[in-house]
Amino acid sequence: GQNIDQPTEMTATEGAIVQINCTYQTSGFNGLFWYQQHAGEAPTFLSYNVLDGLEEKGRFSSFLSRSKGYSYLLLKELQMKDSASYLCAVLDSNYQLIWGAGTKLIIKP
Amino acid sequence: IAGITQAPTSQILAAGRRMTLRCTQDMRHNAMYWYRQDLGLGLRLIHYSNTAGTTGKGEVPDGYSVSRANTDDFPLTLASAVPSQTSVYFCASSDGTSGSGGTDTQYFGPGTRLTVL
Repeated sequence: GQNIDQPTEMTATEGAIVQINCTYQTSGFNGLFWYQQHAGEAPTFLSYNVLDGLEEKGRFSSFLSRSKGYSYLLLKELQMKDSASYLCAVLDSNYQLIWGAGTKLIIKP
Repeated sequence: IAGITQAPTSQILAAGRRMTLRCTQDMRHNAMYWYRQDLGLGLRLIHYSNTAGTTGKGEVPDGYSVSRANTDDFPLTLASAVPSQTSVYFCASSDGTSGSGGTDTQYFGPGTRLTVL
């Protein structure tokens, strides 16, 4: 079967750095997405990785290792507004998006 | 530009009733999707449409139907609602047409919170 694993919940301090991991086992791979979802709101796009390596976008970076079936989202200089759920999703060989259950990130002052 | 709109925002429905959730996008995207999101589970695809006039089944299609008469609208119908369909429903769209996910970013509507009693 297809599976996406992420930690259920993480806590970090304002101003710090946090890394949210995602491991996947899917039938084929055509890219990996990270989305942010604030409570009661819709998911919004953060990043897309299809090649190995690190993609940096401001305070957020996303890393992919296809051989290890692994990705992480790195958030720097954490702000209170970063409190949200972070969803990892993989595009499989049929170009269907397989979603993880999401990681709830709690930021403390 | 509104992006994607969904209606209603929330609804409480008696079991056995018929309900249509509306979704409209103004980005001229080819592909549209319906997901349900339940606590502790990832987003699950119900139905999708790669282009106007075509639809396909996702992971959890039973009890739901869709139509795609034009590019902008993609309504989701529950023919006879059951309590297990209590969920938050998200509509999304993307410019991609490959399979049910496409290679392009999906953009989400604000969601409809549905409670079936």
